[in-house]
Amino acid sequence: KAGVTQTPRYLIKTRGQQVTLSCSPISGHRSVSWYQQTPGQGLQFLFEYFSETQRNKGNFPGRFSGRQFSNSRSEMNVSTLELGDSALYLCASSLGWASGRFRATGELFFGEGSRLTVL
Amino acid sequence: AQTVTQSQPEMSVQEAETVTLSCTYDTSESDYYLFWYKQPPSRQMILVIRQEAYKQQNATENRFSVNFQKAAKSFSLKISDSQLGDAAMYFCAYGRSGGSNYKLTFGKGTLLTVNP
Repeated sequence: KAGVTQTPRYLIKTRGQQVTLSCSPISGHRSVSWYQQTPGQGLQFLFEYFSETQRNKGNFPGRFSGRQFSNSRSEMNVSTLELGDSALYLCASSLGWASGRFRATGELFFGEGSRLTVL
Repeated sequence: AQTVTQSQPEMSVQEAETVTLSCTYDTSESDYYLFWYKQPPSRQMILVIRQEAYKQQNATENRFSVNFQKAAKSFSLKISDSQLGDAAMYFCAYGRSGGSNYKLTFGKGTLLTVNP
């Protein structure tokens, strides 16, 4: 079973540019989350999508946006890049919470990340 | 809001010995999950162990075990017979059970060094 795939793995941008990162979840996973990882702030939640709907958003400015497609693949976009946006962006997929008697395991499966450097 | 605190930024252990990583959390929920994730230098985060709050028994996975103290809101990870491959950043994480959305709250991490 293929894992979570993120592209590109590395990218360098300059201030003011915009960037789009892509994430393909594990087959069958309908929930995709994005996290920003920096040495100073650690892992911070960006947003979570389930069945093409954003269900939760972290405390990030509107320059950070995302979307999810019908095949559960997700993209995140950062516009007007700032130096402080340099980070490792991690995508994670999960089954999401199921209704009824099934109890989800709560586990997130992570991709290898996209390393963004803003110059 | 839930918070997760890892008070040990760095730890070191000799190969074959035992090390314990600490984690405390704050929540008003009664039903939740706790996790330890490992992030080796290759960067991919992988799940080490999971604990469901409603289960009193501490979770174990081979050489990895936890000490879950719900009342104290403490969730420590014990690594027995440490191996060189255990060297990594370890993150403690909290996830609320159920609800209409899903996210994990992570601690800042503990960098574990294993000395040969």
